[in-house]
Amino acid sequence: DVKVTQSSRYLVKRTGEKVFLECVQDMDHENMFWYRQDPGLGLRLIYFSYDVKMKEKGDIPEGYSVSREKKERFSLILESASTNQTSMYLCASSTLGLARNEQFFGPGTRLTVL
Amino acid sequence: GIQVEQSPPDLILQEGANSTLRCNFSDSVNNLQWFHQNPWGQLINLFYIPSGTKQNGRLSATTVATERYSLLYISSSQTTDSGVYFCAVGLNSGYSTLTFGKGTMLLVSP
Repeated sequence: DVKVTQSSRYLVKRTGEKVFLECVQDMDHENMFWYRQDPGLGLRLIYFSYDVKMKEKGDIPEGYSVSREKKERFSLILESASTNQTSMYLCASSTLGLARNEQFFGPGTRLTVL
Repeated sequence: GIQVEQSPPDLILQEGANSTLRCNFSDSVNNLQWFHQNPWGQLINLFYIPSGTKQNGRLSATTVATERYSLLYISSSQTTDSGVYFCAVGLNSGYSTLTFGKGTMLLVSP
């Protein structure tokens, strides 16, 4: 079974802090994704990566950056956390290419910024 | 980009009832997934169904790609079926990003 893990289920940070959210997958997937989920807005793509050290902006990249130093690990970074970044953050992974590339999700991190 | 609309937005059922959830999308796709988000926030993969029909226990799904819609059927609903159901679509080319609908919130009461 595909397994995607995230470093924390719940996180509370202060405004202005630098925040790291970590995601690890064990299926040798090329693609990895970060989403945020807010009530009434569904899931929105922040950033994704299709290879080590490669990244692409999603629909809402402002205020975020990412890092992918190893294939299995994709980090989301909030350089200076703000209250409007309080949200549920979900990581996913999938294979690359034209084959069946079903996305699999981690358990999510509920981040509260005070 | 692709637009995804799910209906109904909310649904309340008595245990044992059947239901149909719908997903309409605005463009041709070759990736369509249905997810169930449980009360703890985990997204569970239900179906990968860019076309055709699949069944898994009490759940089944049908996608008519030429008409740009997909249906998720839940039969003999149970309280554990409660949660949010998401449809997500995309193209299996290159980056394979998905666009999500806003979901259907299902509550199954005993």
